Amino acid sequence: SQQGEEDPQALSIQEGENATMNCSYKTSINNLQWYRQNSGRGLVHLILIRSNEREKHSGRLRVTLDTSKKSSSLLITASRAADTASYFCATGLTGGGNKLTFGTGTQLKVEL
Amino acid sequence: DAGVIQSPRHEVTEMGQEVTLRCKPISGHNSLFWYRQTMMRGLELLIYFNNNVPIDDSGMPEDRFSAKMPNASFSTLKIQPSEPRDSAVYFCASSFELNEQFFGPGTRLTVL
Repeated sequence: SQQGEEDPQALSIQEGENATMNCSYKTSINNLQWYRQNSGRGLVHLILIRSNEREKHSGRLRVTLDTSKKSSSLLITASRAADTASYFCATGLTGGGNKLTFGTGTQLKVEL
Repeated sequence: DAGVIQSPRHEVTEMGQEVTLRCKPISGHNSLFWYRQTMMRGLELLIYFNNNVPIDDSGMPEDRFSAKMPNASFSTLKIQPSEPRDSAVYFCASSFELNEQFFGPGTRLTVL
């Protein structure tokens, strides 16, 4: 199974609401990253959190990391229609060199 | 910087033909990654290079797939012979060390 698995697989909310996506992984990591993919496009990096960090903010994004539970969450506050996309977590494994292992993604739809 | 450049953007070919996908990473990045994305299998890492040397090719499906990186500014992914099940979007990404990856726009490959 995937190293990173996102939950939920799909999420539909109204504009202005907050969206929370979760990611669980199985093995020790160096860092965890979140990416966004708009339909038909390449992935775009959102935020990176290292294994010794617990929380990180970037604009309307807030990421938490709990290494004891091997899980992370991405919170998008005050969502906008333009946030509609698929969101992926990716883990850089300890001893895994520079490669990332991507999860299955959460499809977020923000409706007006 | 123009970002990661991939060509062609779209490729339609017939089963049995050779397909070559090209990638120019971001200048200064020392890691390059080839991914394949399908609805069924999600985003899969095929191979990655560090300082032009292949580090992990465990994701390459079979001997029909090969990848090269003759210099720091160019890489190719070749499929010979191509099969309909190779139809997918192929992404190239680059990074500097264990940091965020920057993705190209992808090549949408259709094998008839």
